[in-house]
Amino acid sequence: GIQVEQSPPDLILQEGANSTLRCNFSDSVNNLQWFHQNPWGQLINLFYIPSGTKQNGRLSATTVATERYSLLYISSSQTTDSGVYFCAVERGADQTGANNLFFGTGTRLTVIP
Amino acid sequence: NAGVMQNPRHLVRRRGQEARLRCSPMKGHSHVYWYRQLPEEGLKFMVYLQKENIIDESGMPKERFSAEFPKEGPSILRIQQVVRGDSAAYFCASSPPGTGGPLSEQYFGPGTRLTVT
Repeated sequence: GIQVEQSPPDLILQEGANSTLRCNFSDSVNNLQWFHQNPWGQLINLFYIPSGTKQNGRLSATTVATERYSLLYISSSQTTDSGVYFCAVERGADQTGANNLFFGTGTRLTVIP
Repeated sequence: NAGVMQNPRHLVRRRGQEARLRCSPMKGHSHVYWYRQLPEEGLKFMVYLQKENIIDESGMPKERFSAEFPKEGPSILRIQQVVRGDSAAYFCASSPPGTGGPLSEQYFGPGTRLTVT
């Protein structure tokens, strides 16, 4: 299957700091999503972003599909941003495993006050 | 518009019992996916279903696990004769009819946390 690597694995930030999370993937993809898993375990959709750049409040994401990576930017971090951030990709429609998402192992973010 | 619903949220079973996990997709969604998350790991795909059809079960263990998505009612993930290694969080996701592009975006339920004692 497709390999999805996220970095860094762990990140500790002071409240108010900015950060960049990275997701590398090993093959062409049809879909890329970023999720936030909060401390209660719930998965929250952040972005659907197979290519290009999107912004939503303090968060933004950029995917460069030709170079097989995506970045998630968090600005002015808050304690409620703590949790695990997952990148997940879907392979192309003509490839084995199309339609299902392959998840990275996540970046665990802790924002301290 | 209610999101993806899963129940129960927590389930405790003894070794050898059966576990039934239910998932109701978002309104208007016809594609359902099940994923398993072991402690401290990412989610792993198990099975992809449409109404009355299993489309891809390449991530399902060969024995004891089965899934269905009947014409009426929720999707069910069934685990027979559970073992301690089945303890995990099981997430269901759904997406709209059609494939590709934004139609591929998956929305996740809150998960069912299965504990096998």
